[in-house]
Amino acid sequence: DVKVTQSSRYLVKRTGEKVFLECVQDMDHENMFWYRQDPGLGLRLIYFSYDVKMKEKGDIPEGYSVSREKKERFSLILESASTNQTSMYLCASGLGRKADEQYFGPGTRLTVT
Amino acid sequence: GQSLEQPSEVTAVEGAIVQINCTYQTSGFYGLSWYQQHDGGAPTFLSYNALDGLEETGRFSSFLSRSDSYGYLLLQELQMKDSASYFCAVRDRTGGFKTIFGAGTRLFVKA
Repeated sequence: DVKVTQSSRYLVKRTGEKVFLECVQDMDHENMFWYRQDPGLGLRLIYFSYDVKMKEKGDIPEGYSVSREKKERFSLILESASTNQTSMYLCASGLGRKADEQYFGPGTRLTVT
Repeated sequence: GQSLEQPSEVTAVEGAIVQINCTYQTSGFYGLSWYQQHDGGAPTFLSYNALDGLEETGRFSSFLSRSDSYGYLLLQELQMKDSASYFCAVRDRTGGFKTIFGAGTRLFVKA
């Protein structure tokens, strides 16, 4: 079974703090994705990556950055957390640039106070 | 721009058939996927259509019409455990084959 793990299930941070969200997948997938999920808005793509050291902006990259130094690990960074970044963050991985089956991690519920 | 529309809520009875529609607007359509998400859980992949027609996987089927920019998910022999949110998602070749999700349809299955 594909396993996608995220570093924390729940996280509480203060405004202005730097926040790191880690995601690790164990199936040698090329693609990795970061989404945020808010009620009524579905999943919105923040960043994605097709290979090590590669990254592409999604629909809402502002206020976020990412790092992919190893194939199995994709990190999401909030340089200076703000209250409007309170959300559920979901990481996913998938095979191939054109394949669409994505496997999701359990999510990190981030609260910024 | 890119957009997907799906109903916010659908209610059906156990044993019935329900269809969840999805219309999309995107400049570089590549394929349409469906995901299921139970409360408190992560989305799980259900199906993917890149070509017109019906794909069947057990009780679930998914349909795509590229000319109509329309697809649907069909759930048969509904069970209580099918109560969940269902998301359609479009794979768009512009911007590097990114995936765009709809807002989701909440399905309530009643006894």
